[in-house]
Amino acid sequence: QKEVEQDPGPLSVPEGAIVSLNCTYSNSAFQYFMWYRQYSRKGPELLMYTYSSGNKEDGRFTAQVDKSSKYISLFIRDSQPSDSATYLCAMSVGSNYKLTFGKGTLLTVNP
Amino acid sequence: DTAVSQTPKYLVTQMGNDKSIKCEQNLGHDTMYWYKQDSKKFLKIMFSYNNKELIINETVPNRFSPKSPDKAHLNLHINSLELGDSAVYFCASSQVQGKGYGYTFGSGTRLTVV
Repeated sequence: QKEVEQDPGPLSVPEGAIVSLNCTYSNSAFQYFMWYRQYSRKGPELLMYTYSSGNKEDGRFTAQVDKSSKYISLFIRDSQPSDSATYLCAMSVGSNYKLTFGKGTLLTVNP
Repeated sequence: DTAVSQTPKYLVTQMGNDKSIKCEQNLGHDTMYWYKQDSKKFLKIMFSYNNKELIINETVPNRFSPKSPDKAHLNLHINSLELGDSAVYFCASSQVQGKGYGYTFGSGTRLTVV
């Protein structure tokens, strides 16, 4: 079993839709949870991070972590064509100096 | 002013050649990384350096040798390139060591081995 599993997609939604992106993990030592967005031919950029169970909101984005179920989600409200990208979940153990990524979900938001 | 810059952006080379990729960050971060992204977009860590000291070597073949002359630079030298080395290589840096957030990635070096 891979340490981090991510819904593979691809996902295609109309503009204005609510998008849900999900990852599960098996390593209970993970403490920090992140979502990165990667546009085509670009490096990943950090969208959200959290280190506790619960919800964290930033504008149209909400990151949700459920440590008891080892499940994290990213919700995008009022999705825009500019949100079209690959979304990667990532996790780390506190002092481990590395991120473990999911395989990414390609999202297309159609105008 | 680019935070994490890598050169070159594209690299096409023949099997058996030796090549280097350079990375520089101007963020004052203490930790730098090399990640490899394969054709299926899977990102995996290769190396991590903290203040010029190797912290992580994630079962990477000996043909790959990182070098950190100072904490703002992390270069990657690859000997005897193989077809399977074709991928996008990302350099990254972070300030809050090991806590996972605050990673800044470069825009990648697309390596094609023919």
